[in-house]
Amino acid sequence: GAGVSQSPSNKVTEKGKDVELRCDPISGHTALYWYRQSLGQGLEFLIYFQGNSAPDKSGLPSDRFSAERTGGSVSTLTIQRTQQEDSAVYLCASSLSSSLDRSRGYGYTFGSGTRLTVV
Amino acid sequence: GQNIDQPTEMTATEGAIVQINCTYQTSGFNGLFWYQQHAGEAPTFLSYNVLDGLEEKGRFSSFLSRSKGYSYLLLKELQMKDSASYLCAVRVNSNSGYALNFGKGTSLLVTP
Repeated sequence: GAGVSQSPSNKVTEKGKDVELRCDPISGHTALYWYRQSLGQGLEFLIYFQGNSAPDKSGLPSDRFSAERTGGSVSTLTIQRTQQEDSAVYLCASSLSSSLDRSRGYGYTFGSGTRLTVV
Repeated sequence: GQNIDQPTEMTATEGAIVQINCTYQTSGFNGLFWYQQHAGEAPTFLSYNVLDGLEEKGRFSSFLSRSKGYSYLLLKELQMKDSASYLCAVRVNSNSGYALNFGKGTSLLVTP
């Protein structure tokens, strides 16, 4: 697509429920990233995909968090047994990897995010 | 680890020039990004510096000194719509591909 698309844009869930957040990256972008932005905090890196592989999961806050990517495209971030501290905006970004794209910042583009509220 | 510092808030007048500083301490440095983020919206790309010096793009310029671990974003001829949060982010070589480490952002208020 033309941009990075995330859904839902807003999600309110009860504590203890599972949630799935979806990210549809820019077509042709091989790299995909998930970040979390809490109120008053900087963006916190969660996980990175190159194709369908996730070489680095060290940013995931706990084992309640998992993510997958299929077909080198859409990714889902799943939070199990949600807690109130999981409330945040979850942002997805995608990028190119070639050094030829360096001048444009590798086309590193963010989606509008999913605002998750756990009540 | 990574340590990226930028001022929390700044205020400037419409038509003026403002400089937002960012200092970082990191290993495996591979470039520095500046993003603009309006409330409730996605961060949008402003600039990318990987070599020392100044990159100019219209009203916005960004400077990098790798030896000093320092960058700044310069905004000229400020407009009211420039009121936003400005995010400094460092790209590092790691297993995380090109993941970015962000500062907490600088909230800029442009006043009439």
